[in-house]
Amino acid sequence: EDQVTQSPEALRLQEGESSSLNCSYTVSGLRGLFWYRQDPGKGPEFLFTLYSAGEEKEKERLKATLTKKESFLHITAPKPEDSATYLCAVEGDKIIFGKGTRLHILP
Amino acid sequence: NAGVTQTPKFRVLKTGQSMTLLCAQDMNHEYMYWYRQDPGMGLRLIHYSVGEGTTAKGEVPDGYNVSRLKKQNFLLGLESAAPSQTSVYFCASSLTNLAKNIQYFGAGTRLSVL
Repeated sequence: EDQVTQSPEALRLQEGESSSLNCSYTVSGLRGLFWYRQDPGKGPEFLFTLYSAGEEKEKERLKATLTKKESFLHITAPKPEDSATYLCAVEGDKIIFGKGTRLHILP
Repeated sequence: NAGVTQTPKFRVLKTGQSMTLLCAQDMNHEYMYWYRQDPGMGLRLIHYSVGEGTTAKGEVPDGYNVSRLKKQNFLLGLESAAPSQTSVYFCASSLTNLAKNIQYFGAGTRLSVL
């Protein structure tokens, strides 16, 4: 059965303290792995799509990487405005979303 | 550019009442989706549409119906609301269902069923 597990559930960091969020997945025939950002009271906003193991993408302080079993979202020198819930989704025969990681950056 | 617009933003229903949630997109996207998001759970797909006049069941379709009479609109109906349908509902749209399936989401509808 296809599934997506995100860890940790919640993460509190000091401003400038780099860390990584994990998305482990099991899917038959990965067509794409997606990262979204969701702010409180809003809908998810697209960040990255990764298609194959070894692929990396960057946007400002965020960098997403992909292996055959997991993806990492690396956050370098985060700022308070990076506080949000980060969602991972995988697409095989269907799209499955993880439960998300709530990230809180303290000033 | 409005993107994906959901109405209403909030709604309170009594058990057994019916209602329709409206989703409108102005990006000429073929695919549209309805999800529900509950605390401690990921987004779960209720129904989706691959084009005007088509609908298909997702992961949790029971108790919901949908219609896609116009390409830009996707309606989600609750015929007889139940407390278990208290949730935040998100609509999304995408250009295709290929690997570049970037979904654009609305701001959500917060529904409480008493």
